[in-house]
Amino acid sequence: ELKVEQNPLFLSMQEGKNYTIYCNYSTTSDRLYWYRQDPGKSLESLFVLLSNGAVKQEGRLMASLDTKARLSTLHITAAVHDLSATYFCAVDRYSGNTPLVFGKGTRLSVIA
Amino acid sequence: GAVVSQHPSRVICKSGTSVKIECRSLDFQATTMFWYRQFPKQSLMLMATSNEGSKATYEQGVEKDKFLINHASLTLSTLTVTSAHPEDSSFYICSARVGRLEAFFGQGTRLTVV
Repeated sequence: ELKVEQNPLFLSMQEGKNYTIYCNYSTTSDRLYWYRQDPGKSLESLFVLLSNGAVKQEGRLMASLDTKARLSTLHITAAVHDLSATYFCAVDRYSGNTPLVFGKGTRLSVIA
Repeated sequence: GAVVSQHPSRVICKSGTSVKIECRSLDFQATTMFWYRQFPKQSLMLMATSNEGSKATYEQGVEKDKFLINHASLTLSTLTVTSAHPEDSSFYICSARVGRLEAFFGQGTRLTVV
């Protein structure tokens, strides 16, 4: 059974601090997805990581993928309150037009 | 980018009634769509895969007679929750992909059964 594990599940961090969210998965997938979800809303795509070593950055968020270690990280730099949300990583269940398998999510709260 | 539209965004229904949720791909054809369910403070769990012109594939533990899926066209899939009960209250999200590219998600439907 394909497993996607995120940690931490809860993260409270002060504004201006840095932190990393980890996503481990059990498949040999060569791609990984990060999403953001605000309360009561659907998913917003943050990053699509398509190959080993892929690194993408958008604002204060940077994601990377190590397919050999089956690990992706989402690094937060100098956190601001607007980043408070739940972050999910996900992998393809199979190849092709396939559903995603999600981690449990990391609920991030950025406090002043 | 591709857009998936889901309707309604919120619905409240009485126990025992049925509710239909629509999921449309607005600017692309989706032979396959996916229906997820999300309980409060939990992750998304796949309920079923909707296939245009054929029967949906349900995940283990999901009652196919309770959650009816119809994918009658290349741009529309519907999920009908039949004889809804309070335990069916949840956030339902549909998704579609263009090939193996990133998945696009609908806005979600908050179902409350009273």
